[in-house]
Amino acid sequence: SSELTQDPAVSVALGQTVRITCQGDSLRSSYASWYQQKPGQAPVLVIYNKNNRPSGIPDRFSGASSGNTASLTITGAQAEDEADYYCNSRDSSGNHWVFGGGTKLTVL
Amino acid sequence: QVQLVESGGGVVQPGRSLRLSCAASGFTFSSYGMHWVRQAPGKGLEWVAVISYDGRNKYYADSVKGRFTISRDNSKNMLNLQMNSLRAEDTAVYYCATDYDSSDWGQGTLVTVSS
Repeated sequence: SSELTQDPAVSVALGQTVRITCQGDSLRSSYASWYQQKPGQAPVLVIYNKNNRPSGIPDRFSGASSGNTASLTITGAQAEDEADYYCNSRDSSGNHWVFGGGTKLTVL
Repeated sequence: QVQLVESGGGVVQPGRSLRLSCAASGFTFSSYGMHWVRQAPGKGLEWVAVISYDGRNKYYADSVKGRFTISRDNSKNMLNLQMNSLRAEDTAVYYCATDYDSSDWGQGTLVTVSS
């Protein structure tokens, strides 16, 4: 079982804003990263260190964190944002990675 | 540009062994820790193992501890995963990934454990 908890599925209307959340004790001491994964493809990092975007990631993706909860917000969701999203952080020891169970985002 | 290319996947019988490799380029391999992450068909991401930049420290998920061994060859920019006593539940796509903040991942290699 994951030490990070995500809602299994979320939907958003095209062009609207959606927030995907991730909860876990490790988030009190470690920043979250977020990965986007489309069917048949490798995961792609969209947010790291709470709210940093790798080169090439649209600025409609943003991250935030408070206490034991991290969130990924997509402002103005596009059809191409439909994907699975995974949160990730280090565990309390700082040595292991942990992943959330993933959230399937549907863009209506 | 960072490139990570996994290889060594395939079909293997339960109880047998398999060795995965990850060829790294485009960054100073010897300066960073490296992870293996896997994804079973239709399932989420599962962290498998990590090795420090110099190979001295290694940590494993409980599900693979005692069966899998992570190693690296900094002279060849290569990361390895020796998988022994394979089980059906080890069937997954295996990804290597860098241990820095803006982590880079490979495209993965599929391991199927089946008789």
